[in-house]
Amino acid sequence: AQSVTQLDSQVPVFEEAPVELRCNYSSSVSVYLFWYVQYPNQGLQLLLKYLSGSTLVKGINGFEAEFNKSQTSFHLRKPSVHISDTAEYFCAVSDRYNFNKFYFGSGTKLNVKP
Amino acid sequence: DAGVTQSPTHLIKTRGQHVTLRCSPISGHKSVSWYQQVLGQGPQFIFQYYEKEERGRGNFPDRFSARQFPNYSSELNVNALLLGDSALYLCASSLPRTDNSGNTIYFGEGSWLTVV
Repeated sequence: AQSVTQLDSQVPVFEEAPVELRCNYSSSVSVYLFWYVQYPNQGLQLLLKYLSGSTLVKGINGFEAEFNKSQTSFHLRKPSVHISDTAEYFCAVSDRYNFNKFYFGSGTKLNVKP
Repeated sequence: DAGVTQSPTHLIKTRGQHVTLRCSPISGHKSVSWYQQVLGQGPQFIFQYYEKEERGRGNFPDRFSARQFPNYSSELNVNALLLGDSALYLCASSLPRTDNSGNTIYFGEGSWLTVV
């Protein structure tokens, strides 16, 4: 079975500062990796995904993430955040044999302050 | 194209009642999955349906059931509601398994269920 750990439940950051949201996973098989964002009272929106190939993936809204197989991590980064980035971010994995079943982390609330 | 649509958006039920939540996938998507998101937690997998057959089930009691219709829409049913069933129920759809463009799932806005 797979599991996902998001190490920070909340991350406060000032506007225009860089941010990193951490995600570690455990799995006995190869996985696909995802980051989703959830704005208040809304569903989840895909930010980016890693399926294969380059370990650095770029997503929407200036976010990027790097897959590190040896450290089983998939940290999300943005060089300069905006107030509008305030939301909850979820890391998720699915395995390559049952790729419609996703395992989500508990989420990280990003609070961007002016 | 419309995204994943869910209804109702909000509902309140009392303990012991039954609830039916509905989901219409993105046009062309044949796989539908359901997730429960309790306040303060990440979504938890409940069911996946593909071509009207159950293809996966999470660790939920038999009070939870679902089905998929010929038009690929889906219903989630929960019987004998408990207070702990209060949550956001998310439906997600994805392309057929044979698609090689990636297995991204697309979520609806969810149905907020409050059990009192």
